[in-house]
Amino acid sequence: AQSVTQPDIHITVSEGASLELRCNYSYGATPYLFWYVQSPGQGLQLLLKYFSGDTLVQGIKGFEAEFKRSQSTFNLRKPSVHWSDAAEYFCAVGPRSGGGNKLTFGTGTQLKVEL
Amino acid sequence: DGGITQSPKYLFRKEGQNVTLSCEQNLNHDAMYWYRQDPGQGLRLIYYSQIVNDFQKGDIAEGYSVSREKKESFPLTVTSAQKNPTAFYLCASSTKPGPTRETQYFGPGTRLLVL
Repeated sequence: AQSVTQPDIHITVSEGASLELRCNYSYGATPYLFWYVQSPGQGLQLLLKYFSGDTLVQGIKGFEAEFKRSQSTFNLRKPSVHWSDAAEYFCAVGPRSGGGNKLTFGTGTQLKVEL
Repeated sequence: DGGITQSPKYLFRKEGQNVTLSCEQNLNHDAMYWYRQDPGQGLRLIYYSQIVNDFQKGDIAEGYSVSREKKESFPLTVTSAQKNPTAFYLCASSTKPGPTRETQYFGPGTRLLVL
């Protein structure tokens, strides 16, 4: 069965520092990959997605992620974090065919930004 | 504005009571989903529907029921059989899965509390 692991439950960075959030997945084939962000008490907003092509994906708010097939990772990065980036981040995978477009989510990484 | 609306924002349930959470979308999406979110557990799929008058169980369907009588509406009923209903419930929608594998878009959520 597919699974997604986000090893870091909490991460704290200083404003202006770089950020990397880790996402490891286990899947029978290359899945579709997503990163979502959730502010407290809100729904999820899509940051970026990987379907095919260039393995470095650019998203909104200055985020990017790199798909590494050999390592089964899809880590999220940002060169310089802003205080408004404090939120919870979820990595998700979905099947390329069948499965009803069901997504499997990681347990999330809570990002705190120190001013 | 196109989007997904969920109501109410907060819902209180008494013991033995059924409650219904509303989810409406005006995005003309074919597929709709219900997720449950608990702290530290990420999102878990309850039910999903790919077309009107059809729906499938997700990973944690016990104690829940849904209907899909209209394309834009996908209400979720939390029945008295759900013994631990306190959670944040998120509704999502996407266009019909196809070659481009469309993204799921999320509503703002409903927080259900048990009295």
